[in-house]
Amino acid sequence: GAVVSQHPSWVICKSGTSVKIECRSLDFQATTMFWYRQFPKQSLMLMATSNEGSKATYEQGVEKDKFLINHASLTLSTLTVTSAHPEDSSFYICSGGSWDTQYFGPGTRLTVL
Amino acid sequence: AQSVAQPEDQVNVAEGNPLTVKCTYSVSGNPYLFWYVQYPNRGLQFLLKYITGDNLVKGSYGFEAEFNKSQTSFHLKKPSALVSDSALYFCAVRFSGGYQKVTFGTGTKLQVIP
Repeated sequence: GAVVSQHPSWVICKSGTSVKIECRSLDFQATTMFWYRQFPKQSLMLMATSNEGSKATYEQGVEKDKFLINHASLTLSTLTVTSAHPEDSSFYICSGGSWDTQYFGPGTRLTVL
Repeated sequence: AQSVAQPEDQVNVAEGNPLTVKCTYSVSGNPYLFWYVQYPNRGLQFLLKYITGDNLVKGSYGFEAEFNKSQTSFHLKKPSALVSDSALYFCAVRFSGGYQKVTFGTGTKLQVIP
């Protein structure tokens, strides 16, 4: 199957700093990429949908100025958590493809101190 | 609105026994239904999906699921569990019409006991 990578796999940062997470489709072109957040023992919550070359569509309740998404190429999307706070600590997962065929990355564990 | 319920946080089954992971859904209209598996430190992997047609869907690694419209269920099954099947399983649903996001359940941890 198609492969999606994420970098870094885990990151620890201080409160108030910004963190960038990269999502790459390694062997296919991802016109659409999805960003999810997963809390312990909870479901994946869709944060936003990004299409290459256009602005991301954010789900209700997700702050677009805090979670900046860039999808500048068909193989790379980035999520930047700006001015991170401890409540932003979570597991962030990206996927590429379509609604019915999503290829997921391994996730990034973010811990904000 | 659409939703998915996985009533069991964890399912324990002995190796070699049949396994069932339950999923019920709520959606306006016809559903598209999915099962994904997540191994530790790995991304979600697609197992199978129901779009239309035969209610019994066969997927990867010997798994299958049956779409039951009257009971709004899409339970995941396997005739003989393997220890390597131990993982976190997610059911997901979306409305078949138009542009609709996929909604995931809370996941069920499957533990296969040797």
